[in-house]
Amino acid sequence: DVVMTQSPLSLPVTLGQPASISCRSSQSLVYSDGNTYLNWFQQRPGQSPRRLIYKVSNRDSGVPDRFSGSGSGTDFTLKISRVEAEDVGVYYCMQGTHWPPITFGQGTRLEIK
Amino acid sequence: QVQLVQSGAEVKKPGASVKVSCKVSGYTLTELSMHWVRQAPGKGLEWMGGFDPEDGETIYAQKFQGRVTMTEDTSTDTAYMELSSLRSEDTAVYYCATSTIPRNGMDVWGQGTTVTVSS
Repeated sequence: DVVMTQSPLSLPVTLGQPASISCRSSQSLVYSDGNTYLNWFQQRPGQSPRRLIYKVSNRDSGVPDRFSGSGSGTDFTLKISRVEAEDVGVYYCMQGTHWPPITFGQGTRLEIK
Repeated sequence: QVQLVQSGAEVKKPGASVKVSCKVSGYTLTELSMHWVRQAPGKGLEWMGGFDPEDGETIYAQKFQGRVTMTEDTSTDTAYMELSSLRSEDTAVYYCATSTIPRNGMDVWGQGTTVTVSS
C-alpha cells in the first residue's frame, strides 16, 4: 500500500500568517490517465472531514481561495495564505491513484499561537 | 445536493457485531460510490472499503477482510456497514462518505456514528 507521510504533525500559526503542510507519498501518484489523484481534507474540531482540494490543486466549491495545493510525483503541499481562526483543525492528504486501498496521511494539527 | 444521515451511537460487547446505516438524500445510491472511513479516538482517518464503479463491486481494505460487509438497499437509498467480531480496538467514529470519482476522494460525508466496544 502507498504510505502517505505528512509534516509537520503539529503546526502553530499566528492569525494572518501563512501556513504550509507537506505530504509525501511512497510511490509516484501519477496515474495512467495522466492525472495525479492527491486530495486534501480538513477536519474541524468535532466535525466530519471535508474535502478541500482534489487532484493536487482543484479547490472544492465554497473553499476560500486562501487555500491552495501544489506538487507533483511524490511531493505535495497545502498552503494557507493567511490563517484565520476558522482554519483550526486537522488536515489530511489522501491518495486515490493506487486505490484500492485509499490511504490517508497521519494528519497535521493546525492551531493558533 | 447529497446529504448523508447516519444511525445513532452504539455500545457493543467484545465479539458482537454492529450494523451502521447511512441514509442518502438528494441523489440515489446508484448514482454514487459509497465508502466507509473510521477514526479511532484521537487518531487519523482509516479507509475501510467502498464501491468501485468501474468494476461494479465493493472493495474492502485488507485489514477488514472477512469481518466487514457493506451493503446497499436501493429501494430506500440506504447503505449499511456491518462489522463483526468486535474488539476494543474497533471503538471509533464510523463515517459514510460518497464520491463521484473514488480517486478524487469523498466529497460528502455523514455526521459519523460512534461505536464503543466495551465489556
